[in-house]
Amino acid sequence: DTAVSQTPKYLVTQMGNDKSIKCEQNLGHDTMYWYKQDSKKFLKIMFSYNNKELIINETVPNRFSPKSPDKAHLNLHINSLELGDSAVYFCASSQDPADGGALETQYFGPGTRLLVL
Amino acid sequence: ELKVEQNPLFLSMQEGKNYTIYCNYSTTSDRLYWYRQDPGKSLESLFVLLSNGAVKQEGRLMASLDTKARLSTLHITAAVHDLSATYFCAVDIYTGTASKLTFGTGTRLQVTL
Repeated sequence: DTAVSQTPKYLVTQMGNDKSIKCEQNLGHDTMYWYKQDSKKFLKIMFSYNNKELIINETVPNRFSPKSPDKAHLNLHINSLELGDSAVYFCASSQDPADGGALETQYFGPGTRLLVL
Repeated sequence: ELKVEQNPLFLSMQEGKNYTIYCNYSTTSDRLYWYRQDPGKSLESLFVLLSNGAVKQEGRLMASLDTKARLSTLHITAAVHDLSATYFCAVDIYTGTASKLTFGTGTRLQVTL
């Protein structure tokens, strides 16, 4: 069984379009994340949700809007796509860091490769 | 702002050789993770280091953490081709409500026969 899944795996689209990426985890985790990996392989956190509540919102254009319908899902909607949005987007999940004070490993999904033309 | 630097950025080594990847970070933290990424794939967790002096070993890889020096190392012993991948360290800053990982630049390891 896949622990953290993302759809689609590949996304090719034109500038100006709006697209969504979906993420689901079946690990029972309370916290989910979105990361962006650029062409140089640099990984940077974008958002974090804990039990459907936004808790980390890095400096990300407001064209990016995360939505968490329940704690097992965290979707990423991108409006008015730009060339610079081309990257690999990874979803991740972890136990709630506040549980017992012990931080837990973040488990990553397979990634969504977005290419904006 | 937390900065996490790895070196080297690229490492080509022969099978059977030993080498160490270094991860330096700029802000106090006692939680550090190592991940492996194969080309076109996701990130796989290798080690979780949760205190000063922590040492973890798995097969030919050994990771350590020195929080006073703000340094973690990933030591490779008798490298084999299967270890070829990109290795990332990630420093965890827990804010009280959120765990925020800041990743290093990555070290691309190529093990040649």
